Amino acid sequence: DADVTQTPRNRITKTGKRIMLECSQTKGHDRMYWYRQDPGLGLRLIYYSFDVKDINKGEISDGYSVSRQAQAKFSLSLESAIPNQTALYFCATSEGGQGIGNTIYFGEGSWLTVV
Amino acid sequence: DAKTTQPNSMESNEEEPVHLPCNHSTISGTDYIHWYRQLPSQGPEYVIHGLTSNVNNRMASLAIAEDRKSSTLILHRATLRDAAVYYCILRRIIQGAQKLVFGQGTRLTINP
Repeated sequence: DADVTQTPRNRITKTGKRIMLECSQTKGHDRMYWYRQDPGLGLRLIYYSFDVKDINKGEISDGYSVSRQAQAKFSLSLESAIPNQTALYFCATSEGGQGIGNTIYFGEGSWLTVV
Repeated sequence: DAKTTQPNSMESNEEEPVHLPCNHSTISGTDYIHWYRQLPSQGPEYVIHGLTSNVNNRMASLAIAEDRKSSTLILHRATLRDAAVYYCILRRIIQGAQKLVFGQGTRLTINP
């Protein structure tokens, strides 16, 4: 079983619809992240959370919101989806603490298409 | 802002060594250099990281220039399963938060 699980893996939705991507992890990590990947642009950070009570915006948070329901769960919402939010979304986790050499573990990704 | 520059693509032959370069001239003293790779239809996978000294693990070696403005990921004996996009990343703390800054990566093709 994957350490970081994302659902759904693929989704097609219409413009203006609300869509939620869910992420759960079994690694016991405090820190969780949502990234977006577009062709030729690498990964860009949307939101990150250091623990259940801590949520922070990343570099491209506009149009997105998140919820950290528990240490193991971190969901990403698009309140009103638009076509340029069509992308591959990754959830990730890492250990806490000051050691910034800590490895980040990624899920397998969720393909979202907004038509 | 932290930025890495990598060649868009590279090609090598199976069982030969591969040297993947990365320039990071804006690196600061506290930035760690991380390498991840992404196989088709999968999320990025950690490969190796370092700060100043060269590093070795079971997957690869990381050679860091003395001025830290460049680094090289070394796959000692490439296999077909090493075909992936390789990302050189600076990991830094910005306003107390750890952030990975991804570049566009190098697409590595391995010929049989």
